Amino acid sequence: GENVEQHPSTLSVQEGDSAVIKCTYSDSASNYFPWYKQELGKGPQLIIDIRSNVGEKKDQRIAVTLNKTAKHFSLHITETQPEDSAVYFCAVNQAGTALIFGKGTTLSVSS
Amino acid sequence: KAGVTQTPRYLIKTRGQQVTLSCSPISGHRSVSWYQQTPGQGLQFLFEYFSETQRNKGNFPGRFSGRQFSNSRSEMNVSTLELGDSALYLCASRKTPGQVNTEAFFGQGTRLTVV
Repeated sequence: GENVEQHPSTLSVQEGDSAVIKCTYSDSASNYFPWYKQELGKGPQLIIDIRSNVGEKKDQRIAVTLNKTAKHFSLHITETQPEDSAVYFCAVNQAGTALIFGKGTTLSVSS
Repeated sequence: KAGVTQTPRYLIKTRGQQVTLSCSPISGHRSVSWYQQTPGQGLQFLFEYFSETQRNKGNFPGRFSGRQFSNSRSEMNVSTLELGDSALYLCASRKTPGQVNTEAFFGQGTRLTVV
């Protein structure tokens, strides 16, 4: 089955810096790659996603890039703010199957 | 429109008991998935239901079961509870898990503590 590796497990940055989280996957048939943000006491919230026919997608300060050949995709957060502090999860999916998640990255943004 | 609703939010049960958790998906969404979240393990997939049928199943023992009703609401049941079942149980709602992958939206979760 699909295997998703997420790195790093923890990431500490200064406010205003950029943060990058990377995920690799094993099944080349996977074609949908969402990212979720989970704050303490809440369920994961979808923040951005990308499909396999696109190499990059941007939404204000966040962006996701996808390299299908290398089977990895990354979340980029620019100009980080304290409210970006949370646990971020990548996920991988193909039609008709369940979303499979990475183990998460705890991002801490200090001011 | 209302989001995904999970009830109850918190539960404390004793080893050996059974528990039932409920999930109401977003209106119009027909797919419901269940995940177990524990520290350090991320979100582990339990099962997914679509149109009252289990479509996918994760690698969990038979003590974990679920069902979906005609109104798309879903329940999951855990029998003979063990201490290791203590976790946050999350439900995700999608329009359909069909050919065009659609976004999944999560509820707040049910925090189950087994003592």
